[in-house]
Amino acid sequence: NAGVTQTPKFQVLKTGQSMTLQCAQDMNHNSMYWYRQDPGMGLRLIYYSASEGTTDKGEVPNGYNVSRLNKREFSLRLESAAPSQTSVYFCASSVEIEAFFGQGTRLTVV
Amino acid sequence: AQSVTQLDSQVPVFEEAPVELRCNYSSSVSVYLFWYVQYPNQGLQLLLKYLSGSTLVKSINGFEAEFNKSQTSFHLRKPSVHISDTAEYFCAVIRSNSGYALNFGKGTSLLVTP
Repeated sequence: NAGVTQTPKFQVLKTGQSMTLQCAQDMNHNSMYWYRQDPGMGLRLIYYSASEGTTDKGEVPNGYNVSRLNKREFSLRLESAAPSQTSVYFCASSVEIEAFFGQGTRLTVV
Repeated sequence: AQSVTQLDSQVPVFEEAPVELRCNYSSSVSVYLFWYVQYPNQGLQLLLKYLSGSTLVKSINGFEAEFNKSQTSFHLRKPSVHISDTAEYFCAVIRSNSGYALNFGKGTSLLVTP
């Protein structure tokens, strides 16, 4: 039972570098999401994809781009990383109301 | 916009004592409410949810929450906590106009000590 799989689990970037966070789900869910978690802030929505072929901005989209590659995969790209993007990133997928989360990617930008 | 406020950032409690984690919501329309739990270095897991019907909802590990419309609250309770309940707990509500994306509270850290 893989559920939602995120790669990598840990990453250190230098300011200005780019990288893509990968997410895949095997539950045939239509909707997928990217959140970031910062201490004392809870989780905040970066982008979401309500269905294959569609993506929309969430609460904190600046500095990020996403691609819904197919129904299974939803990637998050940082084009030019900044220290303010140091965070734990969670991917989730949902069948209507109930969301399932990946284990997270801990990203540090130095 | 639908939002939730968790009133306590940290709740220390002794093992076998009761606990209440408080959550208030802001919504003028029908609301779906959730409690998620995050154990150290893990992702979030759904603990329980209120969609409609009975206002008291229960989880399989002894937690319960009551939807109170008049007080706009969805507090989480457990009559006797275990060391293994130590975790971060998040209250959440479905966002408006974002599919089924969630708005989370800032979280409550529950620390259970012997």
